[in-house]
Amino acid sequence: TQLLEQSPQFLSIQEGENLTVYCNSSSVFSSLQWYRQEPGEGPVLLVTVVTGGEVKKLKRLTFQFGDARKDSSLHITAAQTGDTGLYLCAGERDYKLSFGAGTTVTVRA
Amino acid sequence: EAGVAQSPRYKIIEKRQSVAFWCNPISGHATLYWYQQILGQGPKLLIQFQNNGVVDDSQLPKDRFSAERLKGVDSTLKIQPAKLEDSAVYLCASKKSGTNYEQYFGPGTRLTVT
Repeated sequence: TQLLEQSPQFLSIQEGENLTVYCNSSSVFSSLQWYRQEPGEGPVLLVTVVTGGEVKKLKRLTFQFGDARKDSSLHITAAQTGDTGLYLCAGERDYKLSFGAGTTVTVRA
Repeated sequence: EAGVAQSPRYKIIEKRQSVAFWCNPISGHATLYWYQQILGQGPKLLIQFQNNGVVDDSQLPKDRFSAERLKGVDSTLKIQPAKLEDSAVYLCASKKSGTNYEQYFGPGTRLTVT
């Protein structure tokens, strides 16, 4: 059983559209991290959010940490084919990460 | 700076056989992790080392899995005997000691048990 629930599990959109991926848990974490993983590679860190209510923006990606530090969302504006990949959220507690099952995002040209 | 190295990249074995995976972390990274990622799931922590000592191995199936990190650098993860449900990608990650440091993942070893 995953401590973190991600939704949706799969997402297929057209290039230029927007998308949002959600990460929910009943547990409180000291930080929440988002990773992207491509086939045959390990996860690569995109962002770490620490403070409840925190919003971070990286170009077309917007990350939000819930006020209670239990949930998070990732929003991509004007998706590009290069955004295709598996997006994983991970909650940190006691220097250990618990991962969600991931959302597979496919951006069609 | 070289990343986390893992070998082999792929391994196919029959059930009840043994297998070993190797990880070379980023130079200077004292903390090393082994994760198991089953298809369709996120990585699950198996064991965490701080230098050559085990910090957490609570999710390591110790009846068949073992890991060591001699001299606090390279690490090996072994499975003996393997079961069908061990088919997964085994990821190694490393980070500097202390808070606010990022974990860097290797490319993983894809294990298929037939």
